[in-house]
Order: sequence, then C-alpha cells, then structure tokens
Amino acid sequence: GENVEQHPSTLSVQEGDSAVIKCTYSDSASNYFPWYKQELGKRPQLIIDIRSNVGEKKDQRIAVTLNKTAKHFSLHITETQPEDSAVYFCAARIYNFNKFYFGSGTKLNVKP
Amino acid sequence: DAEITQSPRHKITETGRQVTLACHQTWNHNNMFWYRQDLGHGLRLIHYSYGVQDTNKGEVSDGYSVSRSNTEDLPLTLESAASSQTSVYFCASSEGRQGRSEQYFGPGTRLTVT
Repeated sequence: GENVEQHPSTLSVQEGDSAVIKCTYSDSASNYFPWYKQELGKRPQLIIDIRSNVGEKKDQRIAVTLNKTAKHFSLHITETQPEDSAVYFCAARIYNFNKFYFGSGTKLNVKP
Repeated sequence: DAEITQSPRHKITETGRQVTLACHQTWNHNNMFWYRQDLGHGLRLIHYSYGVQDTNKGEVSDGYSVSRSNTEDLPLTLESAASSQTSVYFCASSEGRQGRSEQYFGPGTRLTVT
C-alpha cells in the first residue's frame, strides 16, 4: 500500500513569514493529493488539493506543488496569520481507489 | 443542508464492553470511512465501504467491525473495548465519482476506555 511521510512534525513561524510543509509518497499510482487543516477540537477540513496532471496550484495565500518524479508534494502558506495556527495533514489517493493515506500531521504555530 | 454527523460525541466505557459509534451522512455518498486519530499517528484508516453491503478492512481494523445496510449509515462497533482503543474517531464520506474526490469529515467522537 501507499506510505505517506510528512515533515516537520512541528513548525513555528513569526506572523507574516512563510511556512512550508513537505510530504513524500511511495506509490507512483497515487494521483490525488489533498491537504487538510484541523483546528483544535475540530474536524479536518480540506484547504487545497492537487491532481497528478498539475504541477502547482494556488488559492490566495496557499499553494501546493507536486513533483511526480521525486514523489513529493508541499504546502506553502505565505504571509502567515495567527489564525493559520492548526495541524495540517497531507494525504495521497491511489488512482481508481477511493481511500486516502494520511501523513502524520504538522502542528503549525504562528506567533503574533 | 447536507451533512455528516456522528454520535455520541463523547463516550466513556469500560474494558470488555461492546460499543457502537454511529455515522450518518445525507449527501448520498457511496464511500464512507472510519479513522482513528492518535497523537503522532495522524489519521489511520479502520474500515471503509464503497457502497451498500460492501465493507473493507483498513490498516488498523483488529477489534473493530462495520456494516453497511443503507447508503446513509456506517456504524463502527468495538466488539470488546480495550484501553488501546481510547482515541478520537472520525467518520468521513466521499462521492467517489471521477473528479469528485474530496472526503468530508464528521465532527468526531472522543472515546475513553477505562
């Protein structure tokens, strides 16, 4: 099966700085890579996703990049704000299957 | 509005007891999933279903079972609760058709086994 590794496990940045979270996957058949944000005590919610036929996707301050050759993808948050503080999870889905494999999560702390 | 709900939200039970956690979605999604979330492990898949009467084991299925008798519900049963099953449990659903991959999560159930 798929194995998704996520780094770092914790990340602390100053408000206004950028944050980058990286994930690697093992199965070249994976074709869909979502990122979820989970605030304390809440459910994970999708913030951005990317498919394997795209190298980069942006949504305001959030962007995701995908390198299929190296089997890694990254979440970039620019101009971080205190409300970005949360746990972020990456995931990978193998083509033609609908189950997701999640990374272990990154706790992002944005200091005011 | 369509949604996915879980009940109970909090549960305390004793070792050895059978416990059932409910998950109900009103999106008419074919795919439903159960995860457990523990510190340092992220979200680990317990069981999943691609449709009525279909169930499959995930990576941490020992001690758990599910059944899918209709589209809306996927109850998770702990046959004989163990302290190692103390965790937060999330149910999720997805449509599953081409181009519609997003999983929607329920609010979670915090289970404590004493």
